Amino acid sequence: QSALTQPRSVSGSPGQSVTISCTGTSSDVGTYDYVSWFQQLPGKAPKFMIYDVNKRPSGVPDRFSGSKSGNTASLTISGLQAEDEAVYYCCSHAGSYTFAFGGGTQLTVL
Amino acid sequence: EVKLVESGGGLVQPGGSLRLSCAASGFTFSFYPMTWVRQAPGKGLEWVATVKQEGSERYYVESVKGRFTISRDNARDSLYLQMSSLRAEDTAVYYCARAFRSAYSPDFDSWGQGTLVTVSS
Repeated sequence: QSALTQPRSVSGSPGQSVTISCTGTSSDVGTYDYVSWFQQLPGKAPKFMIYDVNKRPSGVPDRFSGSKSGNTASLTISGLQAEDEAVYYCCSHAGSYTFAFGGGTQLTVL
Repeated sequence: EVKLVESGGGLVQPGGSLRLSCAASGFTFSFYPMTWVRQAPGKGLEWVATVKQEGSERYYVESVKGRFTISRDNARDSLYLQMSSLRAEDTAVYYCARAFRSAYSPDFDSWGQGTLVTVSS
């Protein structure tokens, strides 16, 4: 159950798009289409943003989208807004009903 | 409204034990797998354990196997985490979370506010 690899930080200006990568291995991201993304604001519990690689729970704006290629999943946020500034975590099924989270990416809206 | 409220955190000495609880409301608790996720101070999220709906199948991160036990009481709409042989590296905020479909996918759609466990002498 090794942690997935995410960039420590990304940034973008309002209205721009940013993409956060989440790199795993053939034991997790590469094999399973069970990748979720969570948004965490300071001092708050994580919020569920994406599941099954690219599906959005109800209430999540369609500015948030997910994708996967090989061992790397990605979260793209288009039309950046100030309220999107947060830490984003990916999470993947890692075999035998275990899960691996990424280390988290701080998104800064300039 | 789905609500998850953790309790039971606190300061404990290395080697000690603690039992966390998570009270659920606003949904049919017995229908959903439940999970504990922790977050060390200033660090990222780490999956700790998951229990299936009926409670008989449980899964753990390697680092807590043999020390932590996840359980649930569907009659009381409650989730538990019994922690023993605690180490400094177990210091974290512990969140309970609901998986909205199955124990196989990380679709943790509802989270509690967390309870802080500090392991220190």
